[in-house]
Amino acid sequence: EIVLTQSPGTLSLSPGERATLSCRASQSVSSSYLAWYQQKPGQAPRLLIYGASIRAAGIPDRFSGSGSGTDFTLTISGLEPEDFAVYYCQQYGSSPGITFGQGTRLEIK
Amino acid sequence: QVRLQESGPGLVKPSETLSLTCTVSGGSISAYYWSWIRQPPGKGLEWIGYIHYLGSTNYNPSLKSRVTVSVDTSKNQFSLKLSSVTAADTAVYYCARWPLRYFDLWGRGTLVTVSS
Repeated sequence: EIVLTQSPGTLSLSPGERATLSCRASQSVSSSYLAWYQQKPGQAPRLLIYGASIRAAGIPDRFSGSGSGTDFTLTISGLEPEDFAVYYCQQYGSSPGITFGQGTRLEIK
Repeated sequence: QVRLQESGPGLVKPSETLSLTCTVSGGSISAYYWSWIRQPPGKGLEWIGYIHYLGSTNYNPSLKSRVTVSVDTSKNQFSLKLSSVTAADTAVYYCARWPLRYFDLWGRGTLVTVSS
């Protein structure tokens, strides 16, 4: 089973700052199968990035993804008030097929 | 615009079977895979399983012995059954579209509580 470990657990930043969220896999993950989601309280997750670096439809260009192998990064340049949420990475590959990271909470400092 | 909506009982007794249905509106269930994901209160996301509109399935090994996902293309619906539930199965259950790499469309989720 591929385990995804996200860091930090909580990130405290101010609007306008840059956020860097990490997702590390226990085994190599194909970049094609690495995605990022944003979840706000009481809402379903929303797809932000797929294929490690491709923004989903309607996602602002301040969101960017990068990485390969076992290390992936979600960067948010110039935080907006609506960006404070929980972020999850997700991979699809070997058994059990689909796993999520435990999440990073991005909070207002 | 494709929308997904979960439906089913919000309360299930321990040892019984949890049953949920996801209705797809605004588009056809055909030509895609569809999935169930759950989230215990205050915790992270756990994938449960997915199904192709033609019926092939893949389940999370940790739940495989208790899970059945089925599809009814005539109703544009797919369903989840989780047997022998315990309090640990209390969660918000989401249905989602799965184009084999990521979940691009999600339902709003439904809270299922396991309690006597």
